[in-house]
Amino acid sequence: DAKTTQPTSMDCAEGRAANLPCNHSTISGNEYVYWYRQIHSQGPQYIIHGLKNNETNEMASLIITEDRKSSTLILPHATLRDTAVYYCIVRAGYSTLTFGKGTMLLVSP
Amino acid sequence: DAGITQSPRYKITETGRQVTLMCHQTWSHSYMFWYRQDLGHGLRLIYYSAAADITDKGEVPDGYVVSRSKTENFPLTLESATRSQTSVYFCASSESLGHGYTFGSGTRLTVV
Repeated sequence: DAKTTQPTSMDCAEGRAANLPCNHSTISGNEYVYWYRQIHSQGPQYIIHGLKNNETNEMASLIITEDRKSSTLILPHATLRDTAVYYCIVRAGYSTLTFGKGTMLLVSP
Repeated sequence: DAGITQSPRYKITETGRQVTLMCHQTWSHSYMFWYRQDLGHGLRLIYYSAAADITDKGEVPDGYVVSRSKTENFPLTLESATRSQTSVYFCASSESLGHGYTFGSGTRLTVV
């Protein structure tokens, strides 16, 4: 699976959009970009995934660059409950999930 | 209740004892997984199962045994617990490897 690079931590004001970047310059054509988050003391939670088109669901939007070498997870109106570690994972559909260190997002009032 | 449940939520055991962590899912998902989470190492895959009676090793399988006689259950056994197995253990399930995983709430295991 391709390696990903994420900032260690980010801050966001409540109500503002949180934009979490992820670099995956070695991504292969058959690899998807997945995002999970882990709120303190809870199990990881699936957020969204995509191959090359932008994706949106009730939780977030995923923007993948045209060359697929990077992506951004967007939480349109961050709340305090969005404070969590966010993991960007690149993998083919036939491989298991491997978690990196992720980005600690702190949403403040 | 529908979902994925882990038991116990907390467990303290002594070195050398056998302990089994339970995981039950109600969706009939084919795939089930066990991860452990430690400070400094993040989440690491221990074992996973593609279906009943089919299991495979993950990144850190040593010291653990799994079984899957029924689709809905995937117990994880530490045959002789060691202090290094003190960790938070998460179970997950998925329709397939390509689908999103749904994780349980975790079991915090302390080996003294």
